[in-house]
Order: sequence, then C-alpha cells, then structure tokens
Amino acid sequence: EPEVTQTPSHQVTQMGQEVILRCVPISNHLYFYWYRQILGQKVEFLVSFYNNEISEKSEIFDDQFSVERPDGSNFTLKIRSTKLEDSAMYFCASSNRQGVGELFFGEGSRLTVL
Amino acid sequence: GDSVTQMEGPVTLSEEAFLTINCTYTATGYPSLFWYVQYPGEGLQLLLKATKADDKGSNKGFEATYRKETTSFHLEKGSVQVSDSAVYFCALSDLGTGRRALTFGSGTRLQVQP
Repeated sequence: EPEVTQTPSHQVTQMGQEVILRCVPISNHLYFYWYRQILGQKVEFLVSFYNNEISEKSEIFDDQFSVERPDGSNFTLKIRSTKLEDSAMYFCASSNRQGVGELFFGEGSRLTVL
Repeated sequence: GDSVTQMEGPVTLSEEAFLTINCTYTATGYPSLFWYVQYPGEGLQLLLKATKADDKGSNKGFEATYRKETTSFHLEKGSVQVSDSAVYFCALSDLGTGRRALTFGSGTRLQVQP
C-alpha cells in the first residue's frame, strides 16, 4: 500500500542551526502539507503546497520556514534558524484532491532543538 | 477562528467496553468533520468523516454523528478491542472560510486493557 515516508525520524540540533525535514508523498498525489505537534498540544497546520507553490499557510509559517519540491518525489520543510520553540513532531501529508478529501500522513519527524 | 476541542486522555477501558470520545467544534462556515487515528509508530490515518449536518460517519465499528445543533462530533464504539489502543484526533475542514487545511484537536489517547 502506498505510503508517505519522512526522514529523519528524529533530529537533534542546536539553536540557530538550519534543519531540513524531508518527505516523499504518495506518487500520484498533487497536494502536500506540513503539520506540527508540540508535545502535549494540538496538531497545527503549517503550510499546503500545490502546483509548485504555496497554496495556504498559517501564522506559524513565518520567514524562518520554507518549503520546496526540488524534484518529482521529495517535499521538504526547511527551518533556517531553529529556536527552542520549534521543538515538535513534524508531520508531512499528501492528498489527491483539495477540499473534503483524505490526507495521508507520514509517521512524523521529531525535531529537538537544544 | 475555527477550533476543535476534545476530551483529555488517557482514556483507559477494558476490552468490550463502550467507548465515547467527545469532540466539539467552533467554525465560521459549514465544516466537514473528521476523526483521524494514530496507532503506535505510525502516521495519522483517516478513520471516518461526515460532510454535513446529521451525517453519520462509520468505519471499523466506530461511529460519529455530525450534530450541528450541539456543534459536536463524538466518536463511539460499542465494544473496544486491545487493537483499538491509539491516539484519536478530531478535525474539521471549513471550506466556507476559504481555508481547506484541517484544524485538529489535541488528540485523545485510548488504552484498552485485556
């Protein structure tokens, strides 16, 4: 069964360092998403991506964040200068249509900023 | 803005017990409602959904009814199994606001004991 894969599963970094989280969405999906969950808190929407551009983003997704689809398979989230409060589980998701559709999530990448 | 509130966990039940996980929402438009489940070590998976008032979503013995009058979408199962142990997330998508991204609750951990 097709699945969304994420790497790394866990990354520890120093404050101020750049981090890139990688995702391989399901191959025939066209819509891509990043969510995050700070420990004990809600799963929060960060950004959605379609047709090689951001289609929607939340207030959390500020200038420190960027997304890219560098090739036909990968979808990346970059945090330019990590802060302690960026420590969270980051989930990638993809879907084959917008609106009321099913999102397929990866297992998540845990980011710990020291 | 839109929001989802779930009962806090963990919820601990014995096998074959009746399960209810409460979920209420606030939304500007006419949201679609979802329950996602996360089994240990896996990503979030869609469990069921309802797109309009009085709709009942069902899957794997779980049910939830979209109650507009009480702004609720409580998850129920008549007889839980150990294999149902997971974290359950209530979510909404409010196309009426032009925002298609899912808004999640904080999740409720269910532990089913043999």
